[in-house]
Amino acid sequence: ETGVTQTPRHLVMGMTNKKSLKCEQHLGHNAMYWYKQSAKKPLELMFVYNFKEQTENNSVPSRFSPECPNSSHLFLHLHTLQPEDSALYLCASSIRRPRRHEQYFGPGTRLTVT
Amino acid sequence: AQSVTQPDIHITVSEGASLELRCNYSYGATPYLFWYVQSPGQGLQLLLKYFSGDTLVQGIKGFEAEFKRSQSSFNLRKPSVHWSDAAEYFCAVDLGSQGNLIFGKGTKLSVKP
Repeated sequence: ETGVTQTPRHLVMGMTNKKSLKCEQHLGHNAMYWYKQSAKKPLELMFVYNFKEQTENNSVPSRFSPECPNSSHLFLHLHTLQPEDSALYLCASSIRRPRRHEQYFGPGTRLTVT
Repeated sequence: AQSVTQPDIHITVSEGASLELRCNYSYGATPYLFWYVQSPGQGLQLLLKYFSGDTLVQGIKGFEAEFKRSQSSFNLRKPSVHWSDAAEYFCAVDLGSQGNLIFGKGTKLSVKP
């Protein structure tokens, strides 16, 4: 595997389900990100992890719970979602220190909440 | 507040024609600037980036962009568009030490045969 991978690519879940999205980067980066992309809004940054530590949470509802066990893996745990949470969820990674670099994105998980 | 504006929501060009996609940002200092492309159902692919130095930067797939400080712009260009360039294009700005990106709303490019 190369680059940034995400699984699953498509997910349909009911409002009472619990599911997890997985992201893995094979680039040796030290920062990882979750973004939400919905039809009517620009890309929204949700969470940022630097060296496995969460450094940003952009007022994301608690029904989204991130986890970063190491610098290569990032999860987004989902529970009791709402239909408006249906969107494309993108993971990205980059080098943050010693200098900032560009972000590389995975293919995304298309989430549909029914 | 900092922002990125892509004024064109949808552009249609003929195959072989030239292309320019506009991007303006609102920020006091010179940010890091990026253009990404997204094909349907896919993630974002980096086309090019500007950090410093020469204000005309070359990217992949024959794209280039020019940073103009006086206009706070970073427009994307391609001299001859191919049908495979049909996609959505996003301009993004990295504002500072946090390294977080702010994206424009995107410009969807359609290519006529």
